[in-house]
Amino acid sequence: DIQITQAPSSLSASVGDRVTITCRASQSIGSYLNWYQQKPGKAPNLLISAASSLQSGVPSRFSGSGSGTGFTLTISSLQPEDSSTYFCQQTYSIPYTFGQGTNLEIK
Amino acid sequence: EVRLVESGGGLVQPGGSLRLSCAASGFTFSSYWMSWVRQAPGKGLEWVANIKQDGSESFYVDSVKGRFTISKDNAKNSLYLQMSNLRAEDTAVYYCARVILGAVWWLDPWGQGTPVTVSS
Repeated sequence: DIQITQAPSSLSASVGDRVTITCRASQSIGSYLNWYQQKPGKAPNLLISAASSLQSGVPSRFSGSGSGTGFTLTISSLQPEDSSTYFCQQTYSIPYTFGQGTNLEIK
Repeated sequence: EVRLVESGGGLVQPGGSLRLSCAASGFTFSSYWMSWVRQAPGKGLEWVANIKQDGSESFYVDSVKGRFTISKDNAKNSLYLQMSNLRAEDTAVYYCARVILGAVWWLDPWGQGTPVTVSS
């Protein structure tokens, strides 16, 4: 199985900060990495597919990069509504594992 | 509007069975792979199963193989997850999601989820 290590597990940042979340795969997965945002009590929502493709309607302050084993989700200027948990998921091979999640809190 | 609505969750005893349903609308259901993902209380997400457009192929995480069966009825625009021999560790919110195939594949959108509690 491909293991996905997501870091940090939680972070606290201020409005306007640049925030970076990383996912590392235990083996190369090309660009088979997606990012989701989940607000409390809600279903996950797709932010970025194929490592770097921003979904329609997602604010441009979100961006994704990476390939192979290392991936990054960046929020360029944190907004209050970005308070959420963020997950990455590899869809390269079964089982299609998720990262452990990053709980992002606004200071 | 693309919409997925799960139902069928509830409280079940260990060893029991439950069938979850997911009603799809707003898209051509028969053209899409579909997926189930679960989230244990306070935990992360776990992919459970995928099924091909016509139901001819399905894939599962090892922990549910032989106990869970994913199926879809394209005439009814519905996805199902038949769960049997349930264990406490199956307690979770179960989400259905549409699979989007591109250069890679991803899940979009997700339903609101249906909770399953396995307890005596």
